[in-house]
Amino acid sequence: GAVVSQHPSWVICKSGTSVKIECRSLDFQATTMFWYRQFPKQSLMLMATSNEGSKATYEQGVEKDKFLINHASLTLSTLTVTSAHPEDSSFYICSAIPAYSNYNEQFFGPGTRLTVL
Amino acid sequence: GESVGLHLPTLSVQEGDNSIINCAYSNSASDYFIWYKQESGKGPQFIIDIRSNMDKRQGQRVTVLLNKTVKHLSLQIAATQPGDSAVYFCAESSSGGSYIPTFGRGTSLIVHP
Repeated sequence: GAVVSQHPSWVICKSGTSVKIECRSLDFQATTMFWYRQFPKQSLMLMATSNEGSKATYEQGVEKDKFLINHASLTLSTLTVTSAHPEDSSFYICSAIPAYSNYNEQFFGPGTRLTVL
Repeated sequence: GESVGLHLPTLSVQEGDNSIINCAYSNSASDYFIWYKQESGKGPQFIIDIRSNMDKRQGQRVTVLLNKTVKHLSLQIAATQPGDSAVYFCAESSSGGSYIPTFGRGTSLIVHP
């Protein structure tokens, strides 16, 4: 149980285009999902906390107009990288907390590799 | 807590040896800790967790030790196998922070056959 999926698993796009990444909790409801980015050989850096039915909370230094987050249902959150540039190339990982969790245990998706040319 | 984007330290071991991966955390209020394993190109995978009211917890081939006095966490892997090769992250969280974890810098474990 507690499986999180991401789509696509990898994407290559041209500079200036927008890319949408989906994060789904497959067998549980998640009121809270998180979006991380990870550069090669580095740790996960939290970008934003996504709460179902409300606006996302962004970490300091993360542009909310650049990284649009929508959490329209209890099983789906989307991250849209708008007007992507090569410096946005990274590994984007989402995680979800089951509604039944007492300690907010996170379950991670497999990640999405974004390459901006 | 902090999550610092530095290059990962590396631990190299021989297959069959025991591995010990260390982690220092910074928030004395942290009361829940998790170890994650991340294989190349994949998301982190939960290994084992420990609450602050414990100093040791064992799983299958893994043991986590918590020393709150010096804010230190360790992950011990017994009889390390090539499939254990991955990056290992510790994460700390607290009830005051809604248990949103802060990730450590990670350690790359390389197991030589």
